[in-house]
Amino acid sequence: SQQGEEDPQALSIQEGENATMNCSYKTSINNLQWYRQNSGRGLVHLILIRSNEREKHSGRLRVTLDTSKKSSSLLITASRAADTASYFCATFDRGSTLGRLYFGRGTQLTVWP
Amino acid sequence: NAGVTQTPKFQVLKTGQSMTLQCAQDMNHEYMSWYRQDPGMGLRLIHYSVGAGITDQGEVPNGYNVSRSTTEDFPLRLLSAAPSQTSVYFCASSYEGGNLGTQYFGPGTRLTVL
Repeated sequence: SQQGEEDPQALSIQEGENATMNCSYKTSINNLQWYRQNSGRGLVHLILIRSNEREKHSGRLRVTLDTSKKSSSLLITASRAADTASYFCATFDRGSTLGRLYFGRGTQLTVWP
Repeated sequence: NAGVTQTPKFQVLKTGQSMTLQCAQDMNHEYMSWYRQDPGMGLRLIHYSVGAGITDQGEVPNGYNVSRSTTEDFPLRLLSAAPSQTSVYFCASSYEGGNLGTQYFGPGTRLTVL
């Protein structure tokens, strides 16, 4: 499987702290995406970073991509209780059959007030 | 726009029964897909479609059928339900089929097979 794998599996922090989640993948990719899932809900797209980009920002989110290490990180700055959710990375493998997007198993983030 | 809609939200089946999970999108997206989500397993791709009349298998296609007769609809059929198919099912769509840009997810269908 060309799944991304998130690390850590679970992360618990206080409001105001930064949260960093990592994703590692196995093959050459076209882009890498991060999604968020609140309990019992569908996934919501957060940010997409293309293979020729190294860093991308969106509000309190910062994503980095290191294609030489086949890894990405998602940083959430100044976390809020409302950021409590599961976070998934997803990769589209350049070499795979057209249309296959692979998700990791996710990081469960808990932000305590 | 309603985005991606899924019906039903909840369903309980007995082993051996068949049913269809409905998925529709009103964003004129070419790419649609079905995932199942199990505890500790993340999302696994069941089937996907890059346009009307074109479907292909994902990671876990066994026991499921799909068809894509229109751009808007992408139903998932369970042929003979098994307890192993107890899961939460998500449908997603995307405008950029080939490069797979942002995926828009439906709210999910929680299926229990007894």
